Amino acid sequence: QLQLQESGPGLLKPSETLSLTCSVSDDVSDGSIRNASFYWGWVRQPPGKGLEWIGSISHSGPTYYNPSLKSRVTISVDTSEIQFSLRLTSVTAADTAMYYCARLYTDYPYNFFDPWGQGTLVTVSS
Amino acid sequence: SSELTQDPAVSVALGQTVRITCQGDSLRNYYASWYQQKPGQAPRLVFYGKDSRPSGIPDRFSGSSSGDTASLTITGAQAEDEADYYCNSRHTLHHEAFGGGTKLTVL
Repeated sequence: QLQLQESGPGLLKPSETLSLTCSVSDDVSDGSIRNASFYWGWVRQPPGKGLEWIGSISHSGPTYYNPSLKSRVTISVDTSEIQFSLRLTSVTAADTAMYYCARLYTDYPYNFFDPWGQGTLVTVSS
Repeated sequence: SSELTQDPAVSVALGQTVRITCQGDSLRNYYASWYQQKPGQAPRLVFYGKDSRPSGIPDRFSGSSSGDTASLTITGAQAEDEADYYCNSRHTLHHEAFGGGTKLTVL
């Protein structure tokens, strides 16, 4: 069964850069990071609030970002390391959230995130 | 504001049926997917597509769609179904959207 695990610093100061990595267990029977049928996404959730899509990337490189974050976000994939990463620059307290990585299946008219990582809490505070 | 609209809260008596709805233009083109999130846990996919449930999801969870509205129905709600529920759909230009979430209380 495919498993995802987020990792990265849990505490940042304002104006710093958030960098998270999502490690993907390479279960060839379930769909590895190299499988063209899947995208790989980041979703965040501020404390007590709802889910917000950050962006998605395919193994071959096309990347899509939430317009509200696009100027600060970079998502990249490392197929050799079987992981993908999130970089968010110039963080503020508003970026404090639980950050989740998830596999995205999208093939019209179907679209869903599954599985999800357990999430990692990132707090921005001076 | 979200491109997908959900009622903030819904309640249901134990064993009764409840419908959670999600409205948005993107639902005219893509099926909604539905996620259950319990406190302190990651979201979990419970329904997607026209009629698909991931392995391990009870068959009391079902979905439907009409026009710009998708629904998740729980038939015979159990205490363990109390959670937040989010819908998701592909929006435009390869962008994703989530609904604001519905807090389900089982009475």
